Amino acid sequence: AQSVAQPEDQVNVAEGNPLTVKCTYSVSGNPYLFWYVQYPNRGLQFLLKYITGDNLVKGSYGFEAEFNKSQTSFHLKKPSALVSDSALYFCAVRDRNNAGNMLTFGGGTRLMVKP
Amino acid sequence: GAVVSQHPSRVICKSGTSVKIECRSLDFQATTMFWYRQFPKQSLMLMATSNEGSKATYEQGVEKDKFLINHASLTLSTLTVTSAHPEDSSFYICSARKGRTSGAVTYEQYFGPGTRLTVT
Repeated sequence: AQSVAQPEDQVNVAEGNPLTVKCTYSVSGNPYLFWYVQYPNRGLQFLLKYITGDNLVKGSYGFEAEFNKSQTSFHLKKPSALVSDSALYFCAVRDRNNAGNMLTFGGGTRLMVKP
Repeated sequence: GAVVSQHPSRVICKSGTSVKIECRSLDFQATTMFWYRQFPKQSLMLMATSNEGSKATYEQGVEKDKFLINHASLTLSTLTVTSAHPEDSSFYICSARKGRTSGAVTYEQYFGPGTRLTVT
């Protein structure tokens, strides 16, 4: 079984400050990890993924995430938050050995960036 | 790019009627499409996995006779909510994964914009 935990329902940060949205995962094998962003009444937009290789992954809109195997984490980060980053963020995992190729999503974290 | 569209974006129907939602991959072939349901302020819940030309695989607890899925072509999957009830009101999101004929398998799923279903 695979699972994802996003321990924070909401993260508040001031514009211009760094932001972190936490994600931890559990899979039986090696993971593929993803971050998606969702704006109100919209579908999910892909931000970045970790498949293999460099643990630090850079994605869209200045976001990055670091894969930490020992801590089974894949926290999303951005050096300087923008008000327009305010949205719902989902972390997702897929086990490489999962023949069904299904993504399991975390519960989501609402990011609020205040001017 | 990899664009996925859904139609309609919003639909209101009366209880007891059926509603069809279309999911299309516009610029790539999708051998696999996924249907999700999202309740307010909650995460996405996978309803079913649809492979082109074969029957959909439903997640536990999802009624296959109520949520009919058809994936007749490499660019189109449809979800039909039959005999809809108010509790079926939700945000339905589809996603599509590229097939090998479209290049390397990137493991990414490309999501549609979602369909807001309201059953009165």
